[in-house]
Amino acid sequence: AQSVAQPEDQVNVAEGNPLTVKCTYSVSGNPYLFWYVQYPNRGLQFLLKYITGDNLVKGSYGFEAEFNKSQTSFHLKKPSALVSDSALYFCAVRAPFSGGYNKLIFGAGTRLAVHP
Amino acid sequence: NAGVTQTPKFQVLKTGQSMTLQCAQDMNHNSMYWYRQDPGMGLRLIYYSASEGTTDKGEVPNGYNVSRLNKREFSLRLESAAPSQTSVYFCASSDGQGSFYGYTFGSGTRLTVV
Repeated sequence: AQSVAQPEDQVNVAEGNPLTVKCTYSVSGNPYLFWYVQYPNRGLQFLLKYITGDNLVKGSYGFEAEFNKSQTSFHLKKPSALVSDSALYFCAVRAPFSGGYNKLIFGAGTRLAVHP
Repeated sequence: NAGVTQTPKFQVLKTGQSMTLQCAQDMNHNSMYWYRQDPGMGLRLIYYSASEGTTDKGEVPNGYNVSRLNKREFSLRLESAAPSQTSVYFCASSDGQGSFYGYTFGSGTRLTVV
């Protein structure tokens, strides 16, 4: 069965430092992987996805993620954190079901706190 | 360019009351989903609709019912609300089949059951 793990409840980073938010997955077949961000009192917004191709995926707001098949990981990264990056981040994996349809399985989320 | 619209944004119910959460999308997506978000629990799937005319249970369907009214609309009903249903509810849609590019989410409904 498909599953996603985000091992850190919270990540604290100083502004200007690089950040990493970790995600590992378990899927059968080729993984479709996603990152979403949730700002306070808002819905989830799409950041980036990996479906195929280059292992380094670039997304919105300067974020990128590295797909590592051997480690079954899809860590979210940013070279220089901003205070405005403080939010809740969710990793997700596609879970196909009958009829060729799809849904997402989400990790528990990681709260990113960027300090001035 | 509305995307996914949820109503209401906030609601307070008394235990035992009923209500329906509304969701509509204007992207011609086939699939729609209802999730609840609780602290430390991430997002849990309540029900989903792969296509118009079909609905299926997710991880936590007890206490809820859904209706896929047409391709645009997917409603979630609480027949007899309980305090355990206090949560933030999100509706999402996707193109579902074939090329799958993830979800578009609504802005959520914050429900409190007292």
